[in-house]
Amino acid sequence: AQSVTQLGSHVSVSEGALVLLRCNYSSSVPPYLFWYVQYPNQGLQLLLKYTTGATLVKGINGFEAEFKKSETSFHLTKPSAHMSDAAEYFCAVSEPGTYKYIFGTGTRLKVLA
Amino acid sequence: DAGVTQSPTHLIKTRGQQVTLRCSPKSGHDTVSWYQQALGQGPQFIFQYYEEEERQRGNFPDRFSGHQFPNYSSELNVNALLLGDSALYLCASSLVGLAGGFEQYFGPGTRLTVT
Repeated sequence: AQSVTQLGSHVSVSEGALVLLRCNYSSSVPPYLFWYVQYPNQGLQLLLKYTTGATLVKGINGFEAEFKKSETSFHLTKPSAHMSDAAEYFCAVSEPGTYKYIFGTGTRLKVLA
Repeated sequence: DAGVTQSPTHLIKTRGQQVTLRCSPKSGHDTVSWYQQALGQGPQFIFQYYEEEERQRGNFPDRFSGHQFPNYSSELNVNALLLGDSALYLCASSLVGLAGGFEQYFGPGTRLTVT
């Protein structure tokens, strides 16, 4: 069965520091992987996705993620945090042939001035 | 180009009542999925509608039902409300192609409170 684990429900970084949000997945077949961001009182916005091809995926707002099959990971990074990055981030997995996304429990990112 | 819209924004209901939530997909999208997001949790898949049929369902009881209209808009109905149904209900639309890995566009959600 598919599952997603996000290590660290809360992460704090200083403005300008590296952002690293962790996501590990479980899937019986090569999955599709997604990162979404949710600002307070808003819906989810897609940051980036991995389907096939290049394992390093670049998304919006300077974020990127790398699919590592051997580690079953899809960690999200950003070289330099900005105050506007403070939000909740969700990793999601979907298997080919299914229509549902399985979401992790989320990581709340706090950016310190 | 309008994105996904949902109504109402907030709703307060009493245990045992019934509720209907509405969703209009992004222009050009033909598929609608519904998710329940409890406080402090990630969204949980309820079901997906395509061509006015429920195509896949998550682990939710039959009290949760839905409908899709010919214009692709959708409704989520919840009967016999329980306190545990209090959550943010998210609608997501997509255009499902053959390749899979489809992107879902989410609406702002409906916050349901059951008292």
